[in-house]
Amino acid sequence: EPEVTQTPSHQVTQMGQEVILRCVPISNHLYFYWYRQILGQKVEFLVSFYNNEISEKSEIFDDQFSVERPDGSNFTLKIRSTKLEDSAMYFCASGKGLAGYNIQYFGAGTRLSVL
Amino acid sequence: AQTVTQSQPEMSVQEAETVTLSCTYDTSESDYYLFWYKQPPSRQMILVIRQEAYKQQNATENRFSVNFQKAAKSFSLKISDSQLGDAAMYFCAYRSDSGGSNYKLTFGKGTLLTVNP
Repeated sequence: EPEVTQTPSHQVTQMGQEVILRCVPISNHLYFYWYRQILGQKVEFLVSFYNNEISEKSEIFDDQFSVERPDGSNFTLKIRSTKLEDSAMYFCASGKGLAGYNIQYFGAGTRLSVL
Repeated sequence: AQTVTQSQPEMSVQEAETVTLSCTYDTSESDYYLFWYKQPPSRQMILVIRQEAYKQQNATENRFSVNFQKAAKSFSLKISDSQLGDAAMYFCAYRSDSGGSNYKLTFGKGTLLTVNP
C-alpha cells in the first residue's frame, strides 16, 4: 500500500542552523501539507501546497519557513534559522484533492530537536 | 475559526470492553467532514473513521463507530471489543468543505487510550 515517507526520523540541530525536512508524498496525490506537533500539544497546520505553490499557510509559517517540491516527487520544509521553540514533531501529509473526503495520509514524522 | 475540543486527555479500558472517546467542535459552516485519527507509538497517524456532516447515519468501520450529533456539534468515537493494539493517541479532526479551505485539518488535543489486559 502506498505511503508517505519522511526523512530523517530524528534531526538534531543547533539553534540558528538551517534544516531541511524531507517528504515523499503518495505519487498520484495533488495536495501536500506540513503539520507540526509540539510535545504534549495538538497537531497544528503549517502550510498547504498545490500546483507548485503555497495555497494556504498558518500564522506559525513565518518567513523562516519555506516549502518546495523540487523534483516532482519530494516535498521539503526548510527552516532557515532554527529556534528552540521549533523543536517539535513535523508531519507531512498528502491527499488526492478530490471533492469529498480528500483523506490526508500522514507520514511517520520527523522529530526536530533544536539545542 | 473552527475549534475542536477533546475533553478527555486520557482514558483507559479493559481488553474486550467498550470505550467512548468524546469530541466537540465549533463551526458556523454547514458542510464539513469529521475524522478520527489514531497515532500509535510509532507516531504515524492513521485514519480510523470519517463522517460527512450532511449524512445523518453514523459511520461505522468494524469495531469502530461514531455518534454524530450535528446540532450539538458532537462527534464521539466508540471502540467495541477493545484490543491491545487499540492503545494509542486518538485525535478528532475537522475539515471544512468550503472551496477556500484547501482541505486543511483542524485537530483536537488528543485522547491517550490505554488498553489493560
